[in-house]
Amino acid sequence: DAKTTQPNSMESNEEEPVHLPCNHSTISGTDYIHWYRQLPSQGPEYVIHGLTSNVNNRMASLAIAEDRKSSTLILHRATLRDAAVYYCILTVIQGAQKLVFGQGTRLTINP
Amino acid sequence: DSGVTQTPKHLITATGQRVTLRCSPRSGDLSVYWYQQSLDQGLQFLIQYYNGEERAKGNILERFSAQQFPDLHSELNLSSLELGDSALYFCASSVGGHQETQYFGPGTRLLVL
Repeated sequence: DAKTTQPNSMESNEEEPVHLPCNHSTISGTDYIHWYRQLPSQGPEYVIHGLTSNVNNRMASLAIAEDRKSSTLILHRATLRDAAVYYCILTVIQGAQKLVFGQGTRLTINP
Repeated sequence: DSGVTQTPKHLITATGQRVTLRCSPRSGDLSVYWYQQSLDQGLQFLIQYYNGEERAKGNILERFSAQQFPDLHSELNLSSLELGDSALYFCASSVGGHQETQYFGPGTRLLVL
């Protein structure tokens, strides 16, 4: 399984944008980049995913580097409810779709 | 609410015992996944079923087994329990088995005393 590297923790203020980085230098051409988050005392929750192009949805944006060796999850206006552990995960296009969770980034939002 | 339900929410049992965790996937989802989350190992994939058949296996102990029934609900059986099996067990489901969003249930917290 291709490995991802994320900062252990980040802190931001409410109503400010948050950029969560993820390095995946060993990514292959068929790996999708997924982001999930886990709020306190809850199961993981899908945030966004992409392959090559930048992606936007109602929760966040995903910016993927041109060489695909890194990506950034962007929360445009953080709220207290966005405090969670964010996981960047690679999945292969074929085969089993297990999610391999790393340590993730614990995001703290200050009021 | 993800639409995935898990029962029970909490389970306290003793070493050596056997327990069964149950998962009902979202309506229409054919794939069920089981994950274990412990403090020292983080979130780990255990096993996946697709439409009643085992599709992938992860770090699942031989003491653990799972199955998916014709109505697509799944059960995870944990036997000869040890203290180290204490963890949160999550079930997730997806429509099929390839590149699809996984929807996670609220988890079952297992405490082995």
